[in-house]
Amino acid sequence: GNSVTQMEGPVTLSEEAFLTINCTYTATGYPSLFWYVQYPGEGLQLLLKATKADDKGSNKGFEATYRKETTSFHLEKGSVQVSDSAVYFCALKTQGGSEKLVFGKGTKLTVNP
Amino acid sequence: ETGVTQTPRHLVMGMTNKKSLKCEQHLGHNAMYWYKQSAKKPLELMFVYNFKEQTENNSVPSRFSPECPNSSHLFLHLHTLQPEDSALYLCASSQESTEFAEAFFGQGTRLTVV
Repeated sequence: GNSVTQMEGPVTLSEEAFLTINCTYTATGYPSLFWYVQYPGEGLQLLLKATKADDKGSNKGFEATYRKETTSFHLEKGSVQVSDSAVYFCALKTQGGSEKLVFGKGTKLTVNP
Repeated sequence: ETGVTQTPRHLVMGMTNKKSLKCEQHLGHNAMYWYKQSAKKPLELMFVYNFKEQTENNSVPSRFSPECPNSSHLFLHLHTLQPEDSALYLCASSQESTEFAEAFFGQGTRLTVV
C-alpha cells in the first residue's frame, strides 16, 4: 500500500539555521507529493506540492524536490525564523483509485531566537 | 482563511451527551473528509464523502456518525463517546476528478470528553 515516512522529531534549531526534514514514500503508480504545515492551534495548510519527477515545489522560502529515483521529497529552508515553528507533514496522493491523502506522522519544528 | 469552516472550535462533552460537529466549505469542492488528530499519533482518516456519497469508512466506531446533506456541508454526530476520543477533529475538502487536487483543511474542533 501507499505510505509516507518522515523523520522523527522534534527538531530544535536556532534562528537562521538551515532546515532539512526528510520524507520518503512508497506508492504504486506516480503520486503527487505535498508538504503541509500546522501552526499551533490551527488546522493544516498546504505549504508546497510537486506533481511529477524532478519538479520543485517552493513557498515562503521552503523548497522540496520530487526525486523519483530515491522516492524522496525532503523539505529544506536555508534560514529558518521563529515564526516557522510548527508541525510539518509530508503527504502523497495517487491518481485514480482511492483519492485520499496519505500523511506521514509529522515533524515538530521549534525555532529559538 | 482556507475556505473551510468548522464549528465549534472547542467542545467539552460528557460521555452520555450527544453533540454534532459541523463543517462548511465555500470552495465548490465535491469531496469532504473527517480526520482525527490525537497527541503523538498520525493523522487518522475517518470518513470520505465524494459527491455526497460516503466512499470510505476506516473502521470508525459507530458512536461516530457522519452526515453529508449536500456537497458544502458535513457533520459528525457524536454520542456516548469515551475519554480516548478526545482529540482534534479536522475537516477537509478537495475537488476530486481534478488531477493532483490538494485538500484544504478547516481549523479543527478540539474535543474533550469528560
